Amino acid sequence: DVKVTQSSRYLVKRTGEKVFLECVQDMDHENMFWYRQDPGLGLRLIYFSYDVKMKEKGDIPEGYSVSREKKERFSLILESASTNQTSMYLCASSFPRQPQHFGDGTRLSIL
Amino acid sequence: QKEVEQNSGPLSVPEGAIASLNCTYSDRGSQSFFWYRQYSGKSPELIMSIYSNGDKEDGRFTAQLNKASQYVSLLIRDSQPSDSATYLCAVNEGTARQLTFGSGTQLTVLP
Repeated sequence: DVKVTQSSRYLVKRTGEKVFLECVQDMDHENMFWYRQDPGLGLRLIYFSYDVKMKEKGDIPEGYSVSREKKERFSLILESASTNQTSMYLCASSFPRQPQHFGDGTRLSIL
Repeated sequence: QKEVEQNSGPLSVPEGAIASLNCTYSDRGSQSFFWYRQYSGKSPELIMSIYSNGDKEDGRFTAQLNKASQYVSLLIRDSQPSDSATYLCAVNEGTARQLTFGSGTQLTVLP
């Protein structure tokens, strides 16, 4: 079975902090994705990566950056956390044009 | 702009009935189609993949794809209360690396 592991299930941070969310997959997938999900807004793609050190902006990249130094690990960085970044963050991975497999999610609260 | 539309719901069906979930997409080049189930507070879970026209059955689930009409549907036979969840349709256009998700249909199966 595919395993996508997100480092934290729940996280509380303060405004202005730099926040790191980590995601690791064990299936040698080329593609990795970061989404946020808010009530009534569905899944929104923040960034994705199709290879080590490669990244592409999704629909809502503002206020975020990403890092992919190793194939199995994809990090989402909130440069200076703000309250409007309180959300559920979901990481996913896949082979090209194959279904994505999701981690359990990180519920992030910014106070 | 690629779009994936789902009937917004919420949809309620009695236990034992057939639940029908529909999805239309705008990009004629779409090649891969997926249905995910998401329980409240949990991450999306892949339940069906379909790539060619026609029906694909897996237990109580049947996915139907009609590329000419640009729709994909999910039928759940003998619906159970445990099927109560939000169902997400996701589409991959032939050359895209990412999926486009619909906003989801909330299904409630009444005992």
